[in-house]
Amino acid sequence: GAGVSQSPSNKVTEKGKDVELRCDPISGHTALYWYRQSLGQGLEFLIYFQGNSAPDKSGLPSDRFSAERTGGSVSTLTIQRTQQEDSAVYLCASSLVLVGTGGTDTQYFGPGTRLTVL
Amino acid sequence: AQSVTQLGSHVSVSEGALVLLRCNYSSSVPPYLFWYVQYPNQGLQLLLKYTTGATLVKGINGFEAEFKKSETSFHLTKPSAHMSDAAEYFCAVSDSGTSYGKLTFGQGTILTVHP
Repeated sequence: GAGVSQSPSNKVTEKGKDVELRCDPISGHTALYWYRQSLGQGLEFLIYFQGNSAPDKSGLPSDRFSAERTGGSVSTLTIQRTQQEDSAVYLCASSLVLVGTGGTDTQYFGPGTRLTVL
Repeated sequence: AQSVTQLGSHVSVSEGALVLLRCNYSSSVPPYLFWYVQYPNQGLQLLLKYTTGATLVKGINGFEAEFKKSETSFHLTKPSAHMSDAAEYFCAVSDSGTSYGKLTFGQGTILTVHP
């Protein structure tokens, strides 16, 4: 079946511009995660959605970063007033959360969006 | 807080040789442990995971890992390397005290396989 998809695959923007990154999770997966992969910081958790709510936003690096999820499906990560340090690969993952499984669910990752801020 | 340390950012082996990628973790609660593989320009793919029960976990592509609580380790092994194993490997931990799988990753180990 279809996996997690992300768009665009590459995004080049100028410093100060806003960008939107999209994630389409696997159908039926209620949990959705955003991670950031950068040379300096490695792989970092950004935000977790369960359905349309985000009970854990602790990894968002600043208030320029926001995310939403609609219809329990598609999620958008928005970065306002982009800075050069925002350059990274942004990865989305989804999982099927079963009752009682806690954090054991396998996360399925998309191919990522490579963001370059000039 | 949880953390993961992967010893060796680069590991090089010959085809047919043993693969050993090292991972040590720190966690205040019993951990859930994962190994992911990332091929160039692709997302991460789960190789195997340890949650509870048997401490020797077998995964895809002939990989396995053993959870050793006394050593706080979860090293990844494969008896015989194949050229197709060349990739970057990430060890990760999630908190068993939460209801979701927020992953904390190690820095990654790039595996090179020589013919």
